[in-house]
Amino acid sequence: EPEVTQTPSHQVTQMGQEVILRCVPISNHLYFYWYRQILGQKVEFLVSFYNNEISEKSEIFDDQFSVERPDGSNFTLKIRSTKLEDSAMYFCASSELGTGTYEQYFGPGTRLTVT
Amino acid sequence: KNEVEQSPQNLTAQEGEFITINCSYSVGISALHWLQQHPGGGIVSLFMLSSGKKKHGRLIATINIQEKHSSLHITASHPRDSAVYICAVPSGGGADGLTFGKGTHLIIQP
Repeated sequence: EPEVTQTPSHQVTQMGQEVILRCVPISNHLYFYWYRQILGQKVEFLVSFYNNEISEKSEIFDDQFSVERPDGSNFTLKIRSTKLEDSAMYFCASSELGTGTYEQYFGPGTRLTVT
Repeated sequence: KNEVEQSPQNLTAQEGEFITINCSYSVGISALHWLQQHPGGGIVSLFMLSSGKKKHGRLIATINIQEKHSSLHITASHPRDSAVYICAVPSGGGADGLTFGKGTHLIIQP
């Protein structure tokens, strides 16, 4: 069964460093998402991506965040200058289409620890 | 923006019991998602429904669009059902992203 994959599973970085989290969505899906979950809190939407551009972003997704689809398979989230409060689990997801009315398939997550 | 409330926050039950988890939301939606998060952190989609009722094995999900309410039921619960169950809805206004509830932490004791 097709699945969303994410690398790395765990990333430790120092405050102020740049990190890139990688995802490979399901191949025939057109919408891609990043969510985050701070430890002990609920999952929060960051950004959705369709047709090589951001289709929607939340207030959390500020100028330090960016997303890219550098090739036909990978989807990346870059955090330019990490802060302690960026420590969280980051989930990538994909769906056939958008508007929240298509099932979203989640990757296993990348645990980001900022020290 | 949609707000999602789940109840109960925590639920401990004995193996075999019938489990009900509730979800209510504030803004009319076209679909509601039920997801399961295991202790390792991974999230799995259980159901997406826009009306009526869906059933997968021992799991049943219902939705009442007029009352902005959904329930997830587990019949003949088993310790392997222990997980966090999360309700999520589109954030509103044709948005792609989902707004999540805080989740219900379910423990099924043998």
